[in-house]
Amino acid sequence: GAGVSQSPSNKVTEKGKDVELRCDPISGHTALYWYRQSLGQGLEFLIYFQGNSAPDKSGLPSDRFSAERTGGSVSTLTIQRTQQEDSAVYLCASSLALSVNSRRSYNEQFFGPGTRLTVL
Amino acid sequence: SQQGEEDPQALSIQEGENATMNCSYKTSINNLQWYRQNSGRGLVHLILIRSNEREKHSGRLRVTLDTSKKSSSLLITASRAADTASYFCATDENNYGQNFVFGPGTRLSVLP
Repeated sequence: GAGVSQSPSNKVTEKGKDVELRCDPISGHTALYWYRQSLGQGLEFLIYFQGNSAPDKSGLPSDRFSAERTGGSVSTLTIQRTQQEDSAVYLCASSLALSVNSRRSYNEQFFGPGTRLTVL
Repeated sequence: SQQGEEDPQALSIQEGENATMNCSYKTSINNLQWYRQNSGRGLVHLILIRSNEREKHSGRLRVTLDTSKKSSSLLITASRAADTASYFCATDENNYGQNFVFGPGTRLSVLP
């Protein structure tokens, strides 16, 4: 079946412009994550959606970053007034629903190919 | 600071040799995962090991977990050129997988 898809694959923008990054998770996956990976670095958690619960926004680096998840499926990460330090690969991942007391392997994350954002 | 820290940062071996990568973390966890990232591509999940497990195998991969030392190791046996990638460990910081913290990764190069 189809995996996680992201668009665009590459985005070049000028400093100060707004950008929107899109993520289509695997059908049926209720958990969705956004990460950022700077060149040569590990992944930095940004935001997490789980079903209809309020998202965990604890990783968003500033109020210029926001994300939505409409209808429990597609998610959009928006960066307003982009800065050069926002340049990175933005990765989206999805996983099956969490069950806190379950011992199943429920939280393997499936990653999309990422969007490479370059802010000039 | 990063929860998971991989060691070494870079590793270069000959095809056929074994590769061992280590991961250390700071707080208690429910599980630890290893991922692989080929250049220019997304991450691929390799293996998950729970806090009550000590060792897991998957094909040529062997993962160990020592919760007393807060460390894990990933062993790739009989390495192949196709194993060349960056390997990341991720921990859930004892919050039931609500978010995962990834280390900076180990860049493995397997030379033919």
